[in-house]
Amino acid sequence: TQLLEQSPQFLSIQEGENLTVYCNSSSVFSSLQWYRQEPGEGPVLLVTVVTGGEVKKLKRLTFQFGDARKDSSLHITAAQPGDTGLYLCAGVSDYKLSFGAGTTVTVRA
Amino acid sequence: DAGVIQSPRHEVTEMGQEVTLRCKPISGHDYLFWYRQTMMRGLELLIYFNNNVPIDDSGMPEDRFSAKMPNASFSTLKIQPSEPRDSAVYFCASSQPTGLDTEAFFGQGTRLTVV
Repeated sequence: TQLLEQSPQFLSIQEGENLTVYCNSSSVFSSLQWYRQEPGEGPVLLVTVVTGGEVKKLKRLTFQFGDARKDSSLHITAAQPGDTGLYLCAGVSDYKLSFGAGTTVTVRA
Repeated sequence: DAGVIQSPRHEVTEMGQEVTLRCKPISGHDYLFWYRQTMMRGLELLIYFNNNVPIDDSGMPEDRFSAKMPNASFSTLKIQPSEPRDSAVYFCASSQPTGLDTEAFFGQGTRLTVV
């Protein structure tokens, strides 16, 4: 049973469009992280959010942490083909990371 | 530092054989994690170590799986005997928490195929 539920499972959009990926949990974690994984590689950290209601921006990526620290979203503005990949959220508790199943994002040129 | 190093990158073995996966964490990292990734179940935590001591092995699927960390620079994950359902990509990751920041650095993974 996944502690973290991600939606949608798959997302295919045209270059230039916006997209949002969601991560929901029934548990509260000390922090929540977003990773991106490309084929044949391990996941790479994008951001860590700690405080309820926190918003972080990383160029065209905007990350939000829910007030109750149980849900998060990742929004990409004007997506580019280089944004293609598997996006994973991870809940951190006692330095242990538990991952959601991921959202596969495909950005078509 | 070269990052987390895993070997081999690919392993194909016959059912019933013993398989050993190896990992060299980033120097200075106190935490080491073993994950398994499949399409059906995503990225599952199998076991993790703190300062070479296993902390939580509740994710290890069966007694056929075992993991060791004899020193700070080396860990192994062994499957004996292997079964086709063990086919997956196995990742090793290491981290060195600083406050609330716990970035996990992953290796490139070992793709295991059991036939």
